[in-house]
Amino acid sequence: GDSVTQKEGLVTLTEGLPVMLNCTYQTIYSNAFLFWYVHYLNESPRLLLKSSTDNKRTEHQGFHATLHKSSSSFHLQKSSAQLSDSALYYCALSDGATGGNNKLTFGQGTVLSVIP
Amino acid sequence: AQTIHQWPVAEIKAVGSPLSLGCTIKGKSSPNLYWYWQATGGTLQQLFYSITVGQVESVVQLNLSASRPKDDQFILSTEKLLLSHSGFYLCAWSLLDQDTQYFGPGTRLLVL
Repeated sequence: GDSVTQKEGLVTLTEGLPVMLNCTYQTIYSNAFLFWYVHYLNESPRLLLKSSTDNKRTEHQGFHATLHKSSSSFHLQKSSAQLSDSALYYCALSDGATGGNNKLTFGQGTVLSVIP
Repeated sequence: AQTIHQWPVAEIKAVGSPLSLGCTIKGKSSPNLYWYWQATGGTLQQLFYSITVGQVESVVQLNLSASRPKDDQFILSTEKLLLSHSGFYLCAWSLLDQDTQYFGPGTRLLVL
């Protein structure tokens, strides 16, 4: 079945340094959608980025990610971390194979902690 | 604007007792609805999905059941809780296959 791997459980960064959160995935389906969701404490998880287009950079709120189907990766990046970026980040996959079920397969999540 | 509400916010229940968690979506007609669950230290797993009233499909067997009695309502329940049911339950909706899913605030459940 589908799987998503986020190797880092916790990333601690000093404010101003670049952010890179890793995400790799496995699916047999070629038209998969990849998502990054951000979950702030005491809020609902919300969409940060999504993509289904190979080698196209997607940007939102200072974050960006590029889906690379050749390496099955969708890493999340930001040029300069801010204290307000501290949150739990999930990478997720929708393979689109099961009609009617928009099933998301989530990674384990990466806690990003930005310190002054 | 669409809103998604889950109740209760948190619950502490005894093993063997019944459970009912609710989810309501306002402002959207005929959404796809989903239940997700996260055990402590685990990842989010989809439990159920529903594309229309009265139709619910199970994705993972956890001795739980779900129902969609109204277009805007999704209920997760069991007659007998297990310790392993503890965790964080999220309800979500989307309009189309592979469309963005919007999540509710979640319910934290502790089974003792």
